[in-house]
Parts: sequence; structure tokens; C-alpha cells
Amino acid sequence: DIQMTQSPSSLSASVGDRVTITCRASQSISSYLSWYQQKPGKAPKLLINAASSLQGGVPSRFSGSGSGTDFTLTISSLQPEDIATYYCQQTYSLPLAFGGGTRVEIK
Amino acid sequence: EVQLLESGGGLVQPGGSLRLSCAASGFTFSNYAMTWVRQAPGKGLEWVSAITGSGASTFYADSVKGRFTISRDNSKNTLYVQMNSLRVEDTAVYYCAKDLAPCSSAYCYEKGHDYWGQGTLVTVSS
Repeated sequence: DIQMTQSPSSLSASVGDRVTITCRASQSISSYLSWYQQKPGKAPKLLINAASSLQGGVPSRFSGSGSGTDFTLTISSLQPEDIATYYCQQTYSLPLAFGGGTRVEIK
Repeated sequence: EVQLLESGGGLVQPGGSLRLSCAASGFTFSNYAMTWVRQAPGKGLEWVSAITGSGASTFYADSVKGRFTISRDNSKNTLYVQMNSLRVEDTAVYYCAKDLAPCSSAYCYEKGHDYWGQGTLVTVSS
């Protein structure tokens, strides 16, 4: 089974800061990587799939990159509404697996 | 508008059973595989089970294999999961999710899950 490791597990940044979250797969998953945003008490929301394909309606300050085993989610200018936990998910093979999550807070 | 509405959660004793439902609307239900994902209190997301659009193929995480059964009724646009031999560690919010890519005869999970229900809480406790 493929394991997904996210870092950091939490971060605190100021409004307007550039925020980077990393996700590492235990083996190559090509570009089969999705990113989700989950706000407290809410269901996850798909932000990005295929490592870098932004879903419709998602602000352009969000971007994804990477392939193989190392991936990055970047928020170019953190906004108050971005406070959430972010999860990566490998969609390369079953069982699908999520990373442990990164909680983003405002400093 | 795509909507997914889970129901059936509640409190059950260890060893008990529960059936969750997910009523879908706003898309051609039979064209899409569907997935169950759970989240234990204060924890991360865990993929649990999936079923192809036709219902012909099912997939399970090792943690639930042999205890959970996923099914669907395309005439009712409803997804189910029958959960037997429940354990304390099955306590979680259970989400149903629609797979982004239309794919009725296979589990086309490569593009992720684009719509999620609000979740239903299952508590396994004596």
C-alpha cells in the first residue's frame, strides 16, 4: 500500500503570506495526486487534481505542483477564509490514501 | 446542483450493525462510481469503500473488508454501506463522495472526488 506523508502537520502564517505544504508518497504515483480543503465541521472540498489541475471556482492563489513522489500545495497570498486543514490523496492505486493533514492558522 | 445526503448514523454497541444511506441528486447517478470516506473524531480522512457506477464491482479497505458491504440502487439514486461487527475504532463521521470522472463499469478514481455529503456520525460504544 502507498503511504502519504504531509508536512508540516500545522502552520501559522500572516494574511498575505505565501504558504507551502508538502506531500510525499512512499512510491512513485506519477501525477495522481489530489488536494482537498476541509474547514471545521464541513466536508472536504476538492481543490486540485492531477497534481496541478485547479478545480473550477477555486481561487487562483492556490496552486499545485510535483510528480513522482514529491508534491506541493501553495497558497500565494494567505487569506482569512483559507483557514482549514488541507489533505493530499494519492489516486494512483487502491487503497486510496490520504496524508495526515496540515492545519493552517492565521498568526 | 449536485447534492449528496447521508443518513443512518447513530450510536451502536460493539458487535452491532448499522446501514448508512446516501441519497444523490443533480447528476446521472449510474454513470459515476461512489466512495465512502470516514474521519474519526479529531483525525484525518480514511478511504473506506467504493463501488462502480453499475454496481458490478466493489472495493474495500483492509480495515473493513469482510465486515462492511457497499451497494447501490440506481433506480433510487442511493448508495448504501452495511456495517456489521462494528468496533470501537469504526467510530467516525462517514462521508459519501462522488467520483469526478464518469465511469460506469470501472472505478475511475484517478481524478479524485468532486462532491461530498455533509457526513453522518457513527459512534460505536458500550
